Amino acid sequence: DQQVKQNSPSLSVQEGRISILNCDYTNSMFDYFLWYKKYPAEGPTFLISISSIKDKNEDGRFTVFLNKSAKHLSLHIVPSQPGDSAVYFCAASGEKRGGGADGLTFGKGTHLIIQP
Amino acid sequence: GAGVSQTPSNKVTEKGKYVELRCDPISGHTALYWYRQSLGQGPEFLIYFQGTGAADDSGLPNDRFFAVRPEGSVSTLKIQRTERGDSAVYLCASSLFTRTGMHGYTFGSGTRLTVV
Repeated sequence: DQQVKQNSPSLSVQEGRISILNCDYTNSMFDYFLWYKKYPAEGPTFLISISSIKDKNEDGRFTVFLNKSAKHLSLHIVPSQPGDSAVYFCAASGEKRGGGADGLTFGKGTHLIIQP
Repeated sequence: GAGVSQTPSNKVTEKGKYVELRCDPISGHTALYWYRQSLGQGPEFLIYFQGTGAADDSGLPNDRFFAVRPEGSVSTLKIQRTERGDSAVYLCASSLFTRTGMHGYTFGSGTRLTVV
């Protein structure tokens, strides 16, 4: 039962164009959504987050949009650069676990490839 | 240290053996998390420490897995009687904040465990 879903395993975008990565979730209790970026042989790196009470958060070339009614969020990268080639994970927090801890629930990731 | 340090970076062990994986979090970070990432999947929550105590171990798959953090800093994940299905990258993360919220956490590079 995947609570956070990234349905595109990979995405290829030309350098300079916009990259749009999508994520769907099922649990309405999530209160924050986060995007992580991962290069091979490295741990995931926090990129940007959004609170469930907002619909947009922007940080430089990265913008995250949240559509709460559709339980959908997306990450926009513009313009896309070669260094953006990586696996991007969507994650959600706020699911109350047994101890009240606040672990993240991750999607399976989307491999973004920026073509020169 | 400057980042989250995990050792060893790679570990190959025979089925049935015992392994220990070490995590050295960022100095001053009281929250520490262990995740497991299997091939083609996103990271999955295993256990969360707040200080020395395991606040939530609901993600540990069975009683062969155990983790400690005796002094509230370094943590060790212990796996007994390893099985081939335990092969994965084990990620450790730490955070200043007890609530993940908008800040996310900082991951280490992981330990790649291969059980043969």
